[in-house]
Amino acid sequence: DAGVIQSPRHEVTEMGQEVTLRCKPISGHDYLFWYRQTMMRGLELLIYFNNNVPIDDSGMPEDRFSAKMPNASFSTLKIQPSEPRDSAVYFCASSLHGRGVDEQFFGPGTRLTVL
Amino acid sequence: SQKIEQNSEALNIQEGKTATLTCNYTNYSPAYLQWYRQDPGRGPVFLLLIRENEKEKRKERLKVTFDTTLKQSLFHITASQPADSATYLCALDMSSSASKIIFGSGTRLSIRP
Repeated sequence: DAGVIQSPRHEVTEMGQEVTLRCKPISGHDYLFWYRQTMMRGLELLIYFNNNVPIDDSGMPEDRFSAKMPNASFSTLKIQPSEPRDSAVYFCASSLHGRGVDEQFFGPGTRLTVL
Repeated sequence: SQKIEQNSEALNIQEGKTATLTCNYTNYSPAYLQWYRQDPGRGPVFLLLIRENEKEKRKERLKVTFDTTLKQSLFHITASQPADSATYLCALDMSSSASKIIFGSGTRLSIRP
């Protein structure tokens, strides 16, 4: 298996633009997680899905952030409109059985820069 | 609110020695605690998970302990090697329906030959 796939790997955009980050989880994994990592705040869980259904979005910082999982093999994290403080590395992770049961496999991340 | 603290930002030790990293938390104990390794420019890689009713877990040269009285987890790497140099993150999961996974800021470990 290729592991968790994220695209793009790097994104540079201007303030106010819409940004869409994409994730393909490992085939067969029922759980998908979106994280954000910054120097100031470290790694933060934004939202996670079980069987394509959002379970906990309490980490989503603002209404400008939204996440979808239309099917078991694809998820998006959208920021509209983007702001410079959204600059961070965004990771997607997936796991077979969910939290507390087995490990999460992280993707390589998308480095987002908002100018 | 729950806070998590990893003992030091950076730790430098000699190859062959045991590296010990500390993760302390406040307030209530998590249902379980995880340790991850992260290399520059890459995503975290899961290492070990320990539950609140477990005192110790081992995996090859790695050992994790969990003391709910001290509100502390220790992560040990025995016979350390330069290839073990990385940032190590601990993560708490309260595992309740409205909870979040909380990560520490990490300890950057350097093993010198």
